[in-house]
Amino acid sequence: KQEVTQIPAALSVPEGENLVLNCSFTDSAIYNLQWFRQDPGKGLTSLLLIQSSQREQTSGRLNASLDKSSGRSTLYIAASQPGDSATYLCAVPSPGNTPLVFGKGTRLSVIA
Amino acid sequence: SAVISQKPSRDICQRGTSLTIQCQVDSQVTMMFWYRQQPGQSLTLIATANQGSEATYESGFVIDKFPISRPNLTFSTLTVSNMSPEDSSIYLCGVHGQVLGETQYFGPGTRLLVL
Repeated sequence: KQEVTQIPAALSVPEGENLVLNCSFTDSAIYNLQWFRQDPGKGLTSLLLIQSSQREQTSGRLNASLDKSSGRSTLYIAASQPGDSATYLCAVPSPGNTPLVFGKGTRLSVIA
Repeated sequence: SAVISQKPSRDICQRGTSLTIQCQVDSQVTMMFWYRQQPGQSLTLIATANQGSEATYESGFVIDKFPISRPNLTFSTLTVSNMSPEDSSIYLCGVHGQVLGETQYFGPGTRLLVL
């Protein structure tokens, strides 16, 4: 059974800092990994999707990496802004199926 | 990307009543899913909504408590039956299909509070 772990659970940084969020998964037989953002009480916004054949995916100030063999992904946020404050969720498809298995998320606060 | 709407966006309900949540997508999708997010927790899959057949439920979730309909490729409903305060959660509809590539998209969620 796939399990997804995210570290740290919460993070508070001053504006302008670069930061890294970590995600690990137990079953490396995945065909992609997705990062989402969730604002309090809201739905999920898809940030990045990395295919299993890819090492990195970039969108603006966000860069996600994937090391499938070690079961790890990182989300790098450059030059953080207060508007980046949200919970960031990592998710992978469950083995042999397409529903996603989610980590518990990292709650990020960027202080102005 | 897909545009997904959910109705209602939020509701406060009394114990023992039922609520039906609607999910509408602006394009045909292969798969639709229903997730629950309890306070302070991550998302847990309730079931996969199958067009024209019974939904596929995850362990711990049953059809009598969470009946699901999917009459076509763009619409699904989830009913939370005989509610108790433990059902207070955000309920999210997720979609996936060839039209959308491999990215899964989610609706804005329905915030349910059961008193």
